[in-house]
Amino acid sequence: RKEVEQDPGPFNVPEGATVAFNCTYSNSASQSFFWYRQDCRKEPKLLMSVYSSGNEDGRFTAQLNRASQYISLLIRDSKLSDSATYLCVVRPGGTYKYIFGTGTRLKVLA
Amino acid sequence: DTAVSQTPKYLVTQMGNDKSIKCEQNLGHDTMYWYKQDSKKFLKIMFSYNNKELIINETVPNRFSPKSPDKAHLNLHINSLELGDSAVYFCASSQVGAFYEQYFGPGTRLTVT
Repeated sequence: RKEVEQDPGPFNVPEGATVAFNCTYSNSASQSFFWYRQDCRKEPKLLMSVYSSGNEDGRFTAQLNRASQYISLLIRDSKLSDSATYLCVVRPGGTYKYIFGTGTRLKVLA
Repeated sequence: DTAVSQTPKYLVTQMGNDKSIKCEQNLGHDTMYWYKQDSKKFLKIMFSYNNKELIINETVPNRFSPKSPDKAHLNLHINSLELGDSAVYFCASSQVGAFYEQYFGPGTRLTVT
């Protein structure tokens, strides 16, 4: 089983749609959780950290479920500019190591 | 203003050559990383330094040697380049305690011919 698993997609959604991605992780000692976005031929950019109580940043909402070991990202009112690959990242406690998922590709269609 | 910078951005070289990639961060972070992203787009950690001390050394050929002259710099030297080394190499940094958020440089696209 991979340490961090994501559905690779692609998710093709129309503009204005709501889309959700899930990510599961295997290490129950994981302590830090993040969503990054990566555009084609660019570096990963931090989208948001995921806090235990869940958090929202504009159209983006992240949730953490420690019991089931998954995190989710909800994007409301999708824009064309949201088209990218979304990477789920987990940091096990007591380590400096970040485990990346393989990413979920999102394409928002006009 | 750039938080994490890398040079060069593109590197095209022949098999057997030795090359270096440089990374600098001005975020005041204490930990720096090298990642490799291959054609399948999977990001794989290679090395990490915390306060100039090597703390992560994944299974990487010993042709790859990182060096951290100070907290703000982390370089990667590659000897005897092979075709399979072609990839994008990303530098990143983070700070212990500051939610551990990690920030990436723009990447160095290495092509070995």
